[in-house]
Amino acid sequence: ETGVTQTPRHLVMGMTNKKSLKCEQHLGHNAMYWYKQSAKKPLELMFVYSLEERVENNSVPSRFSPECPNSSHLFLHLHTLQPEDSALYLCASSQELAPSFYNEQFFGPGTRLTVL
Amino acid sequence: KNEVEQSPQNLTAQEGEFITINCSYSVGISALHWLQQHPGGGIVSLFMLSSGKKKHGRLIATINIQEKHSSLHITASHPRDSAVYICAGGNNDMRFGAGTRLTVKP
Repeated sequence: ETGVTQTPRHLVMGMTNKKSLKCEQHLGHNAMYWYKQSAKKPLELMFVYSLEERVENNSVPSRFSPECPNSSHLFLHLHTLQPEDSALYLCASSQELAPSFYNEQFFGPGTRLTVL
Repeated sequence: KNEVEQSPQNLTAQEGEFITINCSYSVGISALHWLQQHPGGGIVSLFMLSSGKKKHGRLIATINIQEKHSSLHITASHPRDSAVYICAGGNNDMRFGAGTRLTVKP
């Protein structure tokens, strides 16, 4: 089993749909992250969880709702998205959440989301 | 202006050439990361460094804290090195460069 898995790998949804992205890590890490990568733009950090508690929310619209039920699983719930939310959504994990982001992060393969 | 700047944006090389990708940052950082992203989207962490130089196989990463500059070198480049290379750094937050798209032709 690879370290960080994400499902689904591809998702097409309408603006009125509700869907969820799932991330699972098998590395025994304590910190998990959601990133957004839009075309032609740098990676953007969306949410950070440490020991199942959200520690960072980078001004992300409320139509994105994260959930971390345990240290191995991270979800991103999506509702009433806009076409500009189409992007690659990447999950990552690290051993700890050092204040300096000094821990190496392990990335999942990403979910490519298209909002019609 | 992005707090983490990479150059060049795009780079095409012939197999066997020595490659250098540069990263300059204006934020204070505790560690700088080099990441590799393949066409499918998956990202692999190559290096994490806060001083000096690290080497892994044909890859070498250096950082100069005073000049706020890091370089990623690839020796004897190969077509399988074709990918987007991203540098990132931060303290309490992580800032990412826009990436350098490397194509190595056989």
